[in-house]
Amino acid sequence: NAGVTQTPKFQVLKTGQSMTLQCAQDMNHEYMSWYRQDPGMGLRLIHYSVGAGITDQGEVPNGYNVSRSTTEDFPLRLLSAAPSQTSVYFCASSYSPARQETQYFGPGTRLLVL
Amino acid sequence: DAKTTQPPSMDCAEGRAANLPCNHSTISGNEYVYWYRQIHSQGPQYIIHGLKNNETNEMASLIITEDRKSSTLILPHATLRDTAVYYCIVRVAGSGGYQKVTFGTGTKLQVIP
Repeated sequence: NAGVTQTPKFQVLKTGQSMTLQCAQDMNHEYMSWYRQDPGMGLRLIHYSVGAGITDQGEVPNGYNVSRSTTEDFPLRLLSAAPSQTSVYFCASSYSPARQETQYFGPGTRLLVL
Repeated sequence: DAKTTQPPSMDCAEGRAANLPCNHSTISGNEYVYWYRQIHSQGPQYIIHGLKNNETNEMASLIITEDRKSSTLILPHATLRDTAVYYCIVRVAGSGGYQKVTFGTGTKLQVIP
């Protein structure tokens, strides 16, 4: 198993540009989530999904959209990038929504918005 | 979910045991203690969890006090590769998809050669 994969590893955007951060898992996990990590602030939940076709907002959803058309994929879309969205983004998955505490994390995408 | 308190940083000599404390004085009876770690530039990695009994796996041991208000993660023989930020989390296991796991700022463990 490849586990949780994320692409790209690093991205530079200009303010106002849009892009999609890709996340995929091959463990047949129901639960997937996106976090952002900023210096000194730990991990903050952006959006999550408890299964294909079901998504919901986390702590900091503004400026981001998600969809879950398949069990494997959970892309994160930045609609109009802002410098405040400069961060490291982690995707995670777990076997079921009831097992969030044992999540598997991807390697992260480092995003710089100029 | 109960709030946790961890020291911001700790040092440990290579080969010695690293003991990372976590206070969770408001923990409820059905909340578990979970530990994750994040090695620089990588995603967090699950380490271990427990309810009230001490737990051990191939990575670490978890000691929970009898009153469950605090716990200690023990890395028995720390190596340089154990240098990471360690997060202590408490929450109800199996509580469903609408309760979110919250990571604090953790303890930065530096293993010294």
